[in-house]
Amino acid sequence: DTEVTQTPKHLVMGMTNKKSLKCEQHMGHRAMYWYKQKAKKPPELMFVYSYEKLSINESVPSRFSPECPNSSLLNLHLHALQPEDSALYLCASSQDPGLAVGEQYFGPGTRLTVT
Amino acid sequence: GIQVEQSPPDLILQEGANSTLRCNFSDSVNNLQWFHQNPWGQLINLFYIPSGTKQNGRLSATTVATERYSLLYISSSQTTDSGVYFCAVEGYGGATNKLIFGTGTLLAVQP
Repeated sequence: DTEVTQTPKHLVMGMTNKKSLKCEQHMGHRAMYWYKQKAKKPPELMFVYSYEKLSINESVPSRFSPECPNSSLLNLHLHALQPEDSALYLCASSQDPGLAVGEQYFGPGTRLTVT
Repeated sequence: GIQVEQSPPDLILQEGANSTLRCNFSDSVNNLQWFHQNPWGQLINLFYIPSGTKQNGRLSATTVATERYSLLYISSSQTTDSGVYFCAVEGYGGATNKLIFGTGTLLAVQP
């Protein structure tokens, strides 16, 4: 099983709302990632968790708050977003962060619209 | 940081045609993956190929690490092959845990 799941598939939120994106994998992977993808652009890395600890934050604004409650789950908490944050948010996982990235597997994404 | 360039940026094919997509990278790599992003946004793993040659059905890939490029071959293309093809690399020399994506090749296969 090489499946990464993400919920919700679509999300529309106002600039004053608080919402969360959820990602789950059951492959025993110990590295999990959040990416942001704007239309017609490649995915851009936001955060990396290794063994449930935040290891990389690519200077992401604090209105995005990641959380890794356990080795299978990754959340992205959203608060006070701007319309320019509208994008496809992708979650990914890979096996062992200690051996470089290894093969990375992506979820289907959450398409976020901020109004 | 490592630079990743893909060519061509856009490609239109008739169904049944063959094509070659190229990925050039500026430094040694630990990891190279090819993905297909379908129209719904899902990134589908095609190949994990830091070096050598692999084949999977109508698709094959070759990475020549010493010359810093990788090629993705699509034979007998089908309309379902349409979408964006990305290569992504991780630089060599440490557990950087970062894949750097190329700018992609947008493929349209016409019936």
